[in-house]
This record gives sequence, C-alpha cells and structure tokens, in this order.
Amino acid sequence: SAVISQKPSRDICQRGTSLTIQCQVDSQVTMMFWYRQQPGQSLTLIATANQGSEATYESGFVIDKFPISRPNLTFSTLTVSNMSPEDSSIYLCSVEIRGAKNIQYFGAGTRLSVL
Amino acid sequence: QKEVEQDPGPLSVPEGAIVSLNCTYSNSAFQYFMWYRQYSRKGPELLMYTYSSGNKEDGRFTAQVDKSSKYISLFIRDSQPSDSATYLCAMRALYNTDKLIFGTGTRLQVFP
Repeated sequence: SAVISQKPSRDICQRGTSLTIQCQVDSQVTMMFWYRQQPGQSLTLIATANQGSEATYESGFVIDKFPISRPNLTFSTLTVSNMSPEDSSIYLCSVEIRGAKNIQYFGAGTRLSVL
Repeated sequence: QKEVEQDPGPLSVPEGAIVSLNCTYSNSAFQYFMWYRQYSRKGPELLMYTYSSGNKEDGRFTAQVDKSSKYISLFIRDSQPSDSATYLCAMRALYNTDKLIFGTGTRLQVFP
C-alpha cells in the first residue's frame, strides 16, 4: 500500500485567486493522478501527472486552468487557477505503486470552497 | 448514457442485514472491477478488486461480476454500523489501463 499526504485538507478562497494542492507519497509510485469529486457526481479524472514532463489532461480540463507539476516520483502539485464558485469541489490525489498494477490509492482530499 | 450507473441511495439498513450494492455499465471492454469505500471526509479506499467475471469473497464482503449482463454487485453480510459509508464502483478497460471510470457512489447507513 501507500501513505498519501495531501495538503491543505480544506480551504476557502476568493474568486479570481489560485490554490496549489500538494500530494506527497511515502514510496516511489509509477503513476500519479488528480481527480475532482463533486456532490452527487462520479470521481472525474482531471489529469495524469507525469514525472519530468507535461501532465496528460482529460477532455474538459486544460493546463491553463489546472497546471500540474511532478518534479520527482513521490511528489505532485495541482493548482486551481483563477477560481470561480464552480470550482468548489473535493480534489483528490491518487497513486499507483509498483507491483500493484490497476490498484489506485487515494489521499484524503482537499475540500475547496470558492466564494 | 453514462458509462457506469450506480444508484446513489441513500440505503438505510439495520445492523446485521445483508446489503446489496450494484452497478451497471455499458462498455464491454471493461475487464477490471473494483469497489471502493469512502468514509465522510476521507479519500476512497480499495475494498475489493476483481478481474473479469466471477465471484470474490473477503470476510463479510463478496464481489460479483456478470459480464454478460454488464452488472457488478457488492454484498455485505452481517452489516455493522462501521460499514456506514459511501461505496463507489470503479472499472477499467483492458485497452486503457490507466483510467478508472467511477460510479457516482451509493451512500449506506447501517443503524444499530
């Protein structure tokens, strides 16, 4: 398994500002992902964070709005830029570790409210 | 039509009951099937993992996959108040091994 630390756990932000969410894993992982979880909706994959290169974004998500970094195998950040109330959601980091293909482990999430 | 459909509930049952949670899906390419449990204000945690069709049992939990009907189930026997959580099904296709598709989750409450 993997222990995932996600910060902050929650935040309340003003419209037009940006928030950076951090995800730290205690072991080297093969894949890191960022999801959004909105009330009454499925977990939606935002992007796959690739080490040393640009993230791979899913349809409907763009780098200008959700820039992602992954400088090494155990750390990634997601920034929610120029926020609006529609960005209020839970943002989750997940990882896939070596030797456990197809199994994703999730962080506790960041609960974001935009006023 | 969504790729994965899951009844959102809430489902409220007495302690000791047998719980059945279900998902249907439309993509016949799905080969890997998972159930995650998510407690309030926590991230999802993997509960059961099944490849292709069949049953898998782990303690009080049984996962069933019926690919011919595109239907998966999670059964919880002797349910406990600690089972109160949201249960999410998730699936992955063989050809796109990196992307999980989730159901919306079913909220379960087990009362003493």
